[in-house]
Amino acid sequence: GAGVSQTPSNKVTEKGKYVELRCDPISGHTALYWYRQSLGQGPEFLIYFQGTGAADDSGLPNDRFFAVRPEGSVSTLKIQRTERGDSAVYLCASSLSSRRDAQYFGPGTRLTVL
Amino acid sequence: GNSVTQMEGPVTLSEEAFLTINCTYTATGYPSLFWYVQYPGEGLQLLLKATKADDKGSNKGFEATYRKETTSFHLEKGSVQVSDSAVYFCALSDQIGQNFVFGPGTRLSVLP
Repeated sequence: GAGVSQTPSNKVTEKGKYVELRCDPISGHTALYWYRQSLGQGPEFLIYFQGTGAADDSGLPNDRFFAVRPEGSVSTLKIQRTERGDSAVYLCASSLSSRRDAQYFGPGTRLTVL
Repeated sequence: GNSVTQMEGPVTLSEEAFLTINCTYTATGYPSLFWYVQYPGEGLQLLLKATKADDKGSNKGFEATYRKETTSFHLEKGSVQVSDSAVYFCALSDQIGQNFVFGPGTRLSVLP
């Protein structure tokens, strides 16, 4: 079946601009996660959704970052006033129902802030 | 807080060599443990998992045993192939379902 998909695969933007990154999880998965991965490091947790609600947003670095999942399926990660330090690969994952389940990852969106 | 420590890479082996990538963890209670693999140019893929002490996860010739007494989950493969070249990440999810915590990853290069 279809895996987790993310769009765009690459995004180049200028400092100060607004960006949106999209994630389409595996059908039927109620749990959805966003991570950020910098070069040579493991994924860093950002936010976890259970259904439509953000059950844990403790990993969001500051209030420039926001994510939504209005219908409990597709999610959008939004970054305002981008900074060069936001450059990274943003990963989305989904799992069947809880954080103890195995997570399945999308290919990521590489964000470059110039 | 929860944490995962992995052996530093890169690890370079010849084809058919034995592989061990060490992983130790710190967590409350009884976490679930995972190994993920990231092949060049691809996304993270679940390789194997174990959910309780003494469980052995296995897949594609790789194995890892959940050792609570040593808080370890070392990844092993008896005979590596060039196609196993990738970055391997150890991860945990603790008993109360807190966030996945990933280790920094270990890059493996297998030479023909």
